[in-house]
Amino acid sequence: GENVEQHPSTLSVQEGDSAVIKCTYSDSASNYFPWYKQELGKRPQLIIDIRSNVGEKKDQRIAVTLNKTAKHFSLHITETQPEDSAVYFCAARPRGNTNAGKSTFGDGTTLTVKP
Amino acid sequence: DTAVSQTPKYLVTQMGNDKSIKCEQNLGHDTMYWYKQDSKKFLKIMFSYNNKELIINETVPNRFSPKSPDKAHLNLHINSLELGDSAVYFCASSQGSGGGNEQFFGPGTRLTVL
Repeated sequence: GENVEQHPSTLSVQEGDSAVIKCTYSDSASNYFPWYKQELGKRPQLIIDIRSNVGEKKDQRIAVTLNKTAKHFSLHITETQPEDSAVYFCAARPRGNTNAGKSTFGDGTTLTVKP
Repeated sequence: DTAVSQTPKYLVTQMGNDKSIKCEQNLGHDTMYWYKQDSKKFLKIMFSYNNKELIINETVPNRFSPKSPDKAHLNLHINSLELGDSAVYFCASSQGSGGGNEQFFGPGTRLTVL
């Protein structure tokens, strides 16, 4: 089955700095890679996603890159703000009907942005 | 309107009891899921239903039994609760079951087993 590793487990940055979270996956059948943000006591919410036919996607201060050959993808947050503080999860989902619907999540990164 | 809702939000119960958590989505999605998030925040899939049919059943004790009466509802019944069952349980839904379908999570049910 799929195995997703996420690093680092905790990340502390100063407001205005950039933050990078990295994930690797093992199953070449995975073709959808979402990133979720979970604030304390809240539900995970999708912040950005990327499909395997795309190498990079950007949405304002957030960007995701994907290297299919190396089987890794990264989340980049620029100009961090205190409200970016949360737990971030990466995930990998397979294409087609093989284990359809089964998202495998990384173990999460707790990001703290210090004002 | 709440897209994915769960009840109850909090559940405190004694070991050995049986309890249920209900989930409803009003997004018209075909696929629904149950996830368990433990005290270390790890998020693990438990079950997934597509059009009321079970498609994912992870290695979960058979004390856990999901039921989907219709596409909009997925309930989770837990028998003989144990201390290790304490966690936050999230329901989620997506348009389809394949890759590329965004999952929408419910607010979670915090289960505490004493």
